[in-house]
Amino acid sequence: KQEVTQIPAALSVPEGENLVLNCSFTDSAIYNLQWFRQDPGKGLTSLLLIQSSQREQTSGRLNASLDKSSGRSTLYIAASQPGDSATYLCAVLNSGGSNYKLTFGKGTLLTVNP
Amino acid sequence: GAVVSQHPSRVICKSGTSVKIECRSLDFQATTMFWYRQFPKQSLMLMATSNEGSKATYEQGVEKDKFLINHASLTLSTLTVTSAHPEDSSFYICSAPTGSWYQETQYFGPGTRLLVL
Repeated sequence: KQEVTQIPAALSVPEGENLVLNCSFTDSAIYNLQWFRQDPGKGLTSLLLIQSSQREQTSGRLNASLDKSSGRSTLYIAASQPGDSATYLCAVLNSGGSNYKLTFGKGTLLTVNP
Repeated sequence: GAVVSQHPSRVICKSGTSVKIECRSLDFQATTMFWYRQFPKQSLMLMATSNEGSKATYEQGVEKDKFLINHASLTLSTLTVTSAHPEDSSFYICSAPTGSWYQETQYFGPGTRLLVL
């Protein structure tokens, strides 16, 4: 059974700081790994998707890396802004029997203080 | 990007009633949709996989007769919470992949907040 762990559970930083969010997973037989953002009471917004054959993906100030063999991923946010405040979720896609299945971590609640 | 909508966004109902939640893919067709439940400060938990034209696949521990799923068209899946109880109060989110979805991201609806009194 796939398990996804995110560390830290919460993080508070001053505006402008660079930061790293961590994600680990127990079953390395994944198809891809995705990072999502969730604002309070809202749905999910996809930030980055890394295929199992890839090592990293970049979008603007965001950079995500994947080390499939060790079951780890990091999300790097450069020059953080108050608008980055949200919960960041990591999810991995596995084959779940006859269907594919996304398994989520509990998320990291990020607060960027102005 | 692709858009997935959910309706209603928020619903309050009395215990024992049934509630239907709709999930629509607005600009693409989705043969598969997923239903998740999220309790406060917890992660999303997959409830079931909705397959167009066939029966849904439920995750272990999810009652099929309580959470009825219908995927009658390529753009609509519905989740009906039957005989709702206060412990069913939660945030329900659907998602739909586009194309060869193990290579592409899934698009999530904005969620439905259910409160059962």
